[in-house]
Amino acid sequence: NAGVTQTPKFQVLKTGQSMTLQCAQDMNHNSMYWYRQDPGMGLRLIYYSASEGTTDKGEVPNGYNVSRLNKREFSLRLESAAPSQTSVYFCASTYGGGLNTGELFFGEGSRLTVL
Amino acid sequence: GDSVTQMEGPVTLSEEAFLTINCTYTATGYPSLFWYVQYPGEGLQLLLKATKADDKGSNKGFEATYRKETTSFHLEKGSVQVSDSAVYFCALSDRGSARQLTFGSGTQLTVLP
Repeated sequence: NAGVTQTPKFQVLKTGQSMTLQCAQDMNHNSMYWYRQDPGMGLRLIYYSASEGTTDKGEVPNGYNVSRLNKREFSLRLESAAPSQTSVYFCASTYGGGLNTGELFFGEGSRLTVL
Repeated sequence: GDSVTQMEGPVTLSEEAFLTINCTYTATGYPSLFWYVQYPGEGLQLLLKATKADDKGSNKGFEATYRKETTSFHLEKGSVQVSDSAVYFCALSDRGSARQLTFGSGTQLTVLP
C-alpha cells in the first residue's frame, strides 16, 4: 500500500521562484491536510480540505495556495518563495465525516530550502 | 483556541530506563488526544490515542491516560529500547468533521545502549 505519497522529497529554490508540492493518497480518504514542520514549533497547519471541492485556511496560510484536484490529490503551491518558507512540508489525510477517528496518515515529507 | 504543551527536549536515556514525556492541553470542548512518533527521515505515525476522559491508550509498550481533571496526557514506557529513539508529538483533535490536529512542539528522545 502506497498510503500518502508526496513529491518532490527535496527541493531548493531561489527567492521569488514558484513551485508546487504534490500529494496523493490511495486510501479513499475525504479530508487532506498540509502541515509545515519547523524546529521547536511542532507541526502547523497551512491549509486543509475537509472534502473534495472544499479548502480552508489553517494556522499559517500566508504565501501558499492549495488545490484539491480530486478526491485523491491535494497540491500546495508557493507562488513567490521566501526564505521564511524553508521548512519540511507534510501532507496528511484521514477519513473525515462520520467515519473520522481523528487519526491522520502522513506522507514522508518534502524538504524545501529557499535561498 | 486549542493548544498543546509538551515537555521540552531533548531527552537522553539509557536502554531499559523508564520514560515519561509530559503533555498538557487546552481545549474548549472534549477533544481526542494522540501521541504520534516520527522516526528519522520519516513522516509521523500514530502511536496511541484516547478519545474520552480516563481512557488509556497503549501500543508497543507505551501508555498514556486521558486525565480531564489535570488536562494531561503523559506518555510513559517502562523500559525503553534504542529503537525507540525518535521525536514524539502530543496532539489533540477537535470533534468537527475536518478533524484538524493541533500538535505540541515535539520531544526528541535518544536512547543509548
